[in-house]
Amino acid sequence: ETGVTQTPRHLVMGMTNKKSLKCEQHLGHNAMYWYKQSAKKPLELMFVYNFKEQTENNSVPSRFSPECPNSSHLFLHLHTLQPEDSALYLCASSVTGGGYREQYFGPGTRLTVT
Amino acid sequence: TQLLEQSPQFLSIQEGENLTVYCNSSSVFSSLQWYRQEPGEGPVLLVTVVTGGEVKKLKRLTFQFGDARKDSSLHITAAQPGDTGLYLCAGGLSNDYKLSFGAGTTVTVRA
Repeated sequence: ETGVTQTPRHLVMGMTNKKSLKCEQHLGHNAMYWYKQSAKKPLELMFVYNFKEQTENNSVPSRFSPECPNSSHLFLHLHTLQPEDSALYLCASSVTGGGYREQYFGPGTRLTVT
Repeated sequence: TQLLEQSPQFLSIQEGENLTVYCNSSSVFSSLQWYRQEPGEGPVLLVTVVTGGEVKKLKRLTFQFGDARKDSSLHITAAQPGDTGLYLCAGGLSNDYKLSFGAGTTVTVRA
């Protein structure tokens, strides 16, 4: 498999549930990102990992908990979410050296919180 | 506030017409990317420009990077319904490996 994959593609969960989103990149990149994309809003960067170390947390509520066990895998653990957390969650990866800074995105997980 | 401003926010045209989308900033970027995103999917990288004044062509799409590396444009010639989507520009600063994204331009091409 190539590129960036995300599972599941669609997720419906209640506010009291616990679920996890998974992202895997097959590009040999060392940086991985979680973005939130809500309807009619710009992409919001949530978390950044570089060589498994979290380098950025953009004031994301603690009900979102990221995990990066290695440079190829990224998880987003979800618990006690709110309806306003319903959105498309995108994972991306990139290299951190060089000048191009291209990010490659997965297909996203469409999350609906009921 | 967005580091990159895209205009227009929405664009609806008839098949066969031309369109231009703009991406502007007061910051200087070491590289600038354009992405296209279809509903329910992730953004797909179309092109990267790195040199001031650079022009790149991808079939009917022409991308230009401003001389001062602060702005860019995307021009589509003879648009087709398959060009419909959200177009995002993203810039990389020299001291940061992350990208700053614009809010996007939603393009609809009517058959």
